[in-house]
Amino acid sequence: DAGITQSPRHKVTETGTPVTLRCHQTENHRYMYWYRQDPGHGLRLIHYSYGVKDTDKGEVSDGYSVSRSKTEDFLLTLESATSSQTSVYFCAISESGGDGYGYTFGSGTRLTVV
Amino acid sequence: GESVGLHLPTLSVQEGDNSIINCAYSNSASDYFIWYKQESGKGPQFIIDIRSNMDKRQGQRVTVLLNKTVKHLSLQIAATQPGDSAVYFCAENQAGTALIFGKGTTLSVSS
Repeated sequence: DAGITQSPRHKVTETGTPVTLRCHQTENHRYMYWYRQDPGHGLRLIHYSYGVKDTDKGEVSDGYSVSRSKTEDFLLTLESATSSQTSVYFCAISESGGDGYGYTFGSGTRLTVV
Repeated sequence: GESVGLHLPTLSVQEGDNSIINCAYSNSASDYFIWYKQESGKGPQFIIDIRSNMDKRQGQRVTVLLNKTVKHLSLQIAATQPGDSAVYFCAENQAGTALIFGKGTTLSVSS
């Protein structure tokens, strides 16, 4: 999807284990976002980044941390996975933040916590 | 809670009909709105956007209408095709930080 890739595409993990999802972009966009998508809830913002080492919390940040050590990579970590974190996770990138031009989304990571 | 929502979770239409998908927003300070289409197994894709200084914008077979008085947004799809079957989300920009998404409407097109 237009210079944004997510890995892995699918993952099954056990409750209590740490999990890291990766988002990689080749567009050199400043802004990157992590959303989760659940039935009946649409897309909810977890964390976002507005530059290298600059991140902020979203609506559903509890239990998640992020890191951005370089422009092209934005990592989402579940410190100790729980069943409630079973979801589809989408990364998005943007040139100008929430204002203008919208976002480009990755293809998603389906995470199952058993 | 949700500041952006869609009136109907599902909409079924016949091929060739015009479709209208509605969305209500609650933040009068939002100044930018987007419609996304999400097909099964894929990430959302940009369809069309509109700024708060406009009330209508047209694209190819799609039109977005914005009524700021009642805080209502709609997406009109002309001559709906089976390939239009997907989940449609509206999103609003709040304070220039990140987009807030509604819960989505599933459009089903039968031929």
